[in-house]
Formats: sequence, structure tokens, C-alpha cells
Amino acid sequence: AQTVTQSQPEMSVQEAETVTLSCTYDTSESDYYLFWYKQPPSRQMILVIRQEAYKQQNATENRFSVNFQKAAKSFSLKISDSQLGDAAMYFCAYRSAYYGNKLVFGAGTILRVKS
Amino acid sequence: GAGVSQSPRYKVAKRGQDVALRCDPISGHVSLFWYQQALGQGPEFLTYFQNEAQLDKSGLPSDRFFAERPEGSVSTLKIQRTQQEDSAVYLCASSLSLAGITDTQYFGPGTRLTVL
Repeated sequence: AQTVTQSQPEMSVQEAETVTLSCTYDTSESDYYLFWYKQPPSRQMILVIRQEAYKQQNATENRFSVNFQKAAKSFSLKISDSQLGDAAMYFCAYRSAYYGNKLVFGAGTILRVKS
Repeated sequence: GAGVSQSPRYKVAKRGQDVALRCDPISGHVSLFWYQQALGQGPEFLTYFQNEAQLDKSGLPSDRFFAERPEGSVSTLKIQRTQQEDSAVYLCASSLSLAGITDTQYFGPGTRLTVL
């Protein structure tokens, strides 16, 4: 079974600065998808960014980018120019390309943004 | 258009009561998922439907949990004889069920269940 580990329970960043959230995963599969989801206090989960394992190029979405290291099974999220609205719980998630469509989530990282 | 909606948003049940949680997916979405999120934790998969077919129920914690999606749209998660350990937020998600990476799951706001 696949597992996802987020080793940082909580992170803080100053407004306008950059922060990196860590995620590692364990799988024996060669093809899969990785996601970062944001969950603000209202609880509605929102997709931030996604990455296909067979693509070497790191995904970017505006201020959000990932550092995907397949050999190391690492998938970190970098948030540039942090904004107050970025404050939320961030979840890293894994989805198999072979078996079903369920997401396997990490425990999450609380991101606090200081003004 | 409208997103995924769930009702009720909050539910308090006495231990031993039965509860039913409703999910209205985005119109036209083929796939529907239920997840359970304990306080301070990441969501955990419960079950998955493609249209009305329940293709994976491997995450249901016991036979007290039952889910249905009879017409391939609205889904209901039922918990019988609730226990305190059932207290959690229950999240519903739906997706178009496209192939590959583009099959994004859209989540509802969740139902917070508290069992006393």
C-alpha cells in the first residue's frame, strides 16, 4: 500500500517571502500522480497543483511550484511571494495510475502567514 | 456552476443512533468518493462510485458503514449504531472521470459528525 508522509506539522512564513512544504511518499509503482491540496479553515479542499510521475519537468501554477524528485520519492511545494490568503492546511496526495482513483493523503502541514 | 454540496453541515448524534449524510456531486460527474477526516489528520478513503456502481469499498471501517448512489447522482453515506470513534468530518468529492492526470477531484465542504 502507498503511504504519504508530511514531516512538518506546522510552518510559518512572512508575507511576500517564500516557503517550502515537504512531502515524501512510498510506492512500488512506476506511474502515478501527485497532488497538493489546500484546505482553508472553511474545510473546502482545493487543488493547488498536480504532477505526473513520468514527467521530469516540475509543475508550476503561478506562485506555486513543485520540486519532484522521483528517485528520492520526494514532492515538495514551494510558495513564492506568500500572501495572507495562503494560510491554510496543505495536504500532499498520491493517486495510482493503475488501480482506482482514490487519493492517499498525508497528515497535512498547517501554514501560517505573518503580516 | 454549482460545486459539490453536502448536507447536513453539522450532525450531532447520540451513541447508537443511525445517521445519513448526503452528497450532491457536480452535475455530470461520473465518479464520486467519500473520505473520512479525523481532527487534525488527512482525509482517508472510504468508498468510490462510478455512476451507480460501487467499485471500491475497501476503506469502509466496519459493516456499520454503508454507501449508495442508486441513480448515479446523489449519494448517501449511512452509519448505523454510531460510536464515538465515528466522530469526524466526512468529505465527498466528485470527478468527471477523465483519463489520467486531468481527472481532478472536487471536494464538498464536508459534514462534521459528533457522536456523544
